[in-house]
Amino acid sequence: EPEVTQTPSHQVTQMGQEVILRCVPISNHLYFYWYRQILGQKVEFLVSFYNNEISEKSEIFDDQFSVERPDGSNFTLKIRSTKLEDSAMYFCASSDVVVVDTQYFGPGTRLTVL
Amino acid sequence: DAKTTQPPSMDCAEGRAANLPCNHSTISGNEYVYWYRQIHSQGPQYIIHGLKNNETNEMASLIITEDRKSSTLILPHATLRDTAVYYCIVRVNDMRFGAGTRLTVKP
Repeated sequence: EPEVTQTPSHQVTQMGQEVILRCVPISNHLYFYWYRQILGQKVEFLVSFYNNEISEKSEIFDDQFSVERPDGSNFTLKIRSTKLEDSAMYFCASSDVVVVDTQYFGPGTRLTVL
Repeated sequence: DAKTTQPPSMDCAEGRAANLPCNHSTISGNEYVYWYRQIHSQGPQYIIHGLKNNETNEMASLIITEDRKSSTLILPHATLRDTAVYYCIVRVNDMRFGAGTRLTVKP
């Protein structure tokens, strides 16, 4: 069964450093998403992406964040200058129809900012 | 997207049916009811979704009231591996997760 994969599973970085989180969505999917979950809190929507542009973003997704689909398979989330409060699980998801369709989530990347 | 209300926690005996309720009284006509679950810190896992008819798949059944203001997710024979946080989400497009219901299946 096809699945969303994410790398790395755990990323440790120093405050102020740039990080790139990588996702490989399910191959025939066209819509891509990033979510984050701070430890002990709820899953929060960050951004959705379709046709090489952002469809929607939350208030969390400020200028420190960017997304890119650099090739036909990868979908990345970049945080330019990490802060302590960026420490969280980051989940990628994909779907093939944005309305009334199922988003499939990856296993997540745990980002720890020191 | 409409707001949902779920009990914060529930227990269920292994082998029994788990019935998880969700209130979504402000749901609009084009909003679907989705259920996901999250086991420990894994990525959310899709369970089932519906608009107004009851739905069943290999994982669960979804019962939606006629006025669509509430729904119930039924796990017919809960196992220990069903222990998770269950999220009821009402959506058209992007999903907004609430706090969910923490279901604990006990032996």
